[in-house]
Amino acid sequence: DIQMTQSPSSLSASVGDRVTISCRASQTISTYLNWYQQKPGKAPKLLIYAASSLQSGVPSRFSGSGSGTDFTLTISSLQPEDFATYFCQQSYSPPWTFGQGSMVEIK
Amino acid sequence: QVQLQESGPGLVKPSETLSLTCTVSGGSISGNYWSWIRQPPGKGLEWVGYISYSGVTDYNPSLKSRVTISADTSKNQFSLKLTSVTAADTAVYYCARENWGVDTAVVVWGQGTLVTVSS
Repeated sequence: DIQMTQSPSSLSASVGDRVTISCRASQTISTYLNWYQQKPGKAPKLLIYAASSLQSGVPSRFSGSGSGTDFTLTISSLQPEDFATYFCQQSYSPPWTFGQGSMVEIK
Repeated sequence: QVQLQESGPGLVKPSETLSLTCTVSGGSISGNYWSWIRQPPGKGLEWVGYISYSGVTDYNPSLKSRVTISADTSKNQFSLKLTSVTAADTAVYYCARENWGVDTAVVVWGQGTLVTVSS
């Protein structure tokens, strides 16, 4: 299985901050990398697919980059509704695997 | 807009079989890939497996010997069976729709249903 490792596991930030979350794959996955947002008690929501494509309806402050083994999710200006946990997921080779999650908390 | 809804027992005894059904509305199950993903309380996400529009299935090797995913196109539903459950199978179970191709991703999620394994 391909292992996905996110960093940091948690971070504290203020509204308006620029936030960056990293995800590393244990082997190359091209750009088969997706990002999801999950709020407490809710199902995850797809934000970014294919490493850098914004899912329909997702605000443009979210962006993704990277290829191969190293990927980044960036929130350009953190909004109150963005406090949540973010997961990366590889869709290069089944079984799909997820990172452990990165919790974005209010500072 | 496609919506998914899980249903099934919220409590299963150890060694018994967990059975869940996902009802798809707003679209046909005869297309795309349909999957199950689970999340133990307070933990991360684990992909369980999928069934394709043509009936092809693939399962997580960690669960493969115990999992079966099937579909009933007449009812627009797909189902999960997990045998010989233990406390480690306690989780929120999500049914979901995957897009496949260069943009393979889980694009639609059900609300999730908590299944607790306990005697």
